[in-house]
Amino acid sequence: LAKTTQPISMDSYEGQEVNITCSHNNIATNDYITWYQQFPSQGPRFIIQGYKTKVTNEVASLFIPADRKSSTLSLPRVSLSDTAVYYCLVAGSARQLTFGSGTQLTVLP
Amino acid sequence: NAGVTQTPKFQVLKTGQSMTLQCAQDMNHEYMSWYRQDPGMGLRLIHYSVGAGITDQGEVPNGYNVSRSTTEDFPLRLLSAAPSQTSVYFCASSYGTGFNTEAFFGQGTRLTVV
Repeated sequence: LAKTTQPISMDSYEGQEVNITCSHNNIATNDYITWYQQFPSQGPRFIIQGYKTKVTNEVASLFIPADRKSSTLSLPRVSLSDTAVYYCLVAGSARQLTFGSGTQLTVLP
Repeated sequence: NAGVTQTPKFQVLKTGQSMTLQCAQDMNHEYMSWYRQDPGMGLRLIHYSVGAGITDQGEVPNGYNVSRSTTEDFPLRLLSAAPSQTSVYFCASSYGTGFNTEAFFGQGTRLTVV
């Protein structure tokens, strides 16, 4: 049973805000929600993690409703360089990370 | 800091050959892991370690061995390469304390088995 479900692909235009939603109906009490970004021929890069409510850092925001069964990664004013695969994960630590197929975000000029 | 360093970056093996993929980190991280990524798919966990001398199996451990004699190094050994092991291999490391899900990944080793 997949731990998370997210769209296979999304397109956006430069300068727009992009929201990628992920569902994780069976999230455990000890799990955090974390997002990674991966460019072609590179290893994944950590973006943000959260437990509940809203978390914001210099590159993204993460919105988590009270029931924690879903989450939304928000990327403000995307540029062409944000074209990548975005993975939503639930995990209690970085010891064992389970990656799904991710969401291919394509930013168009 | 170099972060997580993987060598080699590319490798071609013949079926049945053995080899070791090297991984080193200079961040004094307790946790280290090996993943493989097949085309168009997410990463799958092969083996992981929570500290020197301690290793455990992940989702797809068959055909691979690991050891962790130092905090810094976590080599992955392919015992007898098979075409099904053609993949990109990523090593990762992370802190073992607290509720931390941030792992640092290397640049990967692209392995082809013919």
